[in-house]
Amino acid sequence: AQSVTQPDIHITVSEGASLELRCNYSYGATPYLFWYVQSPGQGLQLLLKYFSGDTLVQGIKGFEAEFKRSQSSFNLRKPSVHWSDAAEYFCAARSNDYKLSFGAGTTVTVRA
Amino acid sequence: NAGVTQTPKFQVLKTGQSMTLQCAQDMNHNSMYWYRQDPGMGLRLIYYSASEGTTDKGEVPNGYNVSRLNKREFSLRLESAAPSQTSVYFCASRELASQYFGPGTRLLVL
Repeated sequence: AQSVTQPDIHITVSEGASLELRCNYSYGATPYLFWYVQSPGQGLQLLLKYFSGDTLVQGIKGFEAEFKRSQSSFNLRKPSVHWSDAAEYFCAARSNDYKLSFGAGTTVTVRA
Repeated sequence: NAGVTQTPKFQVLKTGQSMTLQCAQDMNHNSMYWYRQDPGMGLRLIYYSASEGTTDKGEVPNGYNVSRLNKREFSLRLESAAPSQTSVYFCASRELASQYFGPGTRLLVL
């Protein structure tokens, strides 16, 4: 069955430190991959996406993600987090029928 | 350009009551989606509409119905609300491979 797994439920990081959020997918072929961010009480905002080509993709707000086919992973990174990065982050994958499957989400807390 | 809008933002229902969640998009997208979000489960697809006049079931359609009123609007109806339908509901529309989400409707069923 197709699935997306985010192993970390909650991550706490100091302001200015680097951040990496893990995402693994289980699909028959390489799906389209996405990262979304959800601030408290808000909808989901698209951070970045990977369809093909360069395996390192740049997104908004200083985020980047790297696709690794051998590890079935699409991890999200940010070199230096800001307090405003505190939010919930969702990894998602799209199959050929345009449906998105979401991971359970990772909540990021930023401490001063 | 408002993107995807949803009404209401918050609703409290009693078990057995009915209600319709409204969604509209002004981006001229063909495809629209309804999801529910529950703690620890991410978003799960309830129904989707690939184009005006078509609707299909998603992962968790039981207890819901949808109407694609026109290209802009896609509504979700709960005929007889149950406490298990307490959730946050998100509507989305799609351009090419990317989906864009509304701000959500928080529904509490007592």
